Amino acid sequence: DAKTTQPTSMDCAEGRAANLPCNHSTISGNEYVYWYRQIHSQGPQYIIHGLKNNETNEMASLIITEDRKSSTLILPHATLRDTAVYYCIVRPPDFGNEKLTFGTGTRLTIIP
Amino acid sequence: DTEVTQTPKHLVMGMTNKKSLKCEQHMGHRAMYWYKQKAKKPPELMFVYSYEKLSINESVPSRFSPECPNSSLLNLHLHALQPEDSALYLCASSQVQRDEQYFGPGTRLTVT
Repeated sequence: DAKTTQPTSMDCAEGRAANLPCNHSTISGNEYVYWYRQIHSQGPQYIIHGLKNNETNEMASLIITEDRKSSTLILPHATLRDTAVYYCIVRPPDFGNEKLTFGTGTRLTIIP
Repeated sequence: DTEVTQTPKHLVMGMTNKKSLKCEQHMGHRAMYWYKQKAKKPPELMFVYSYEKLSINESVPSRFSPECPNSSLLNLHLHALQPEDSALYLCASSQVQRDEQYFGPGTRLTVT
């Protein structure tokens, strides 16, 4: 499985954009990048995923570099409820063997 | 209904007890998952069911026995557990195995 590297922790001021980086330099051409987050004492929550193009939904934007070796999750206007551990995951493409392997993630703290 | 529900929320059991964890979803998803999460660690995949058949077993000890009675229900039967099995047990579901997963809130298990 392609390995991901994320900063251990980050702070962001409330109301500002939170930009969470992820390196996945060994990603292969047909592997997707997924982002999940886990708010304290809750189950993980799906945020967004992408293959090559940038993606946006109601929660966040995902920017993937052209060489696909890294990506950035953007929360455009962070609120206190966005404080969580954010996981960047590269999903292997093996049909019938798809699974999520969570790394250690980035602990994002939104500062009032 | 867009929820994955898990019961019980908390469970304390002795090493000689037999207990079961239950997970339910009514989103029509055909893939269901069990994860284990130790404190301050990421979730670790245990089992995957796809169309009610066991698809992935991540070499989990036999004292954990999964069961998928129908497409909406997933059970995890526990027997002769060890104190080190104390953890948060998370259930998830997805449309099919390669899609984004929706997680329940988890069952916090303590083995005494």
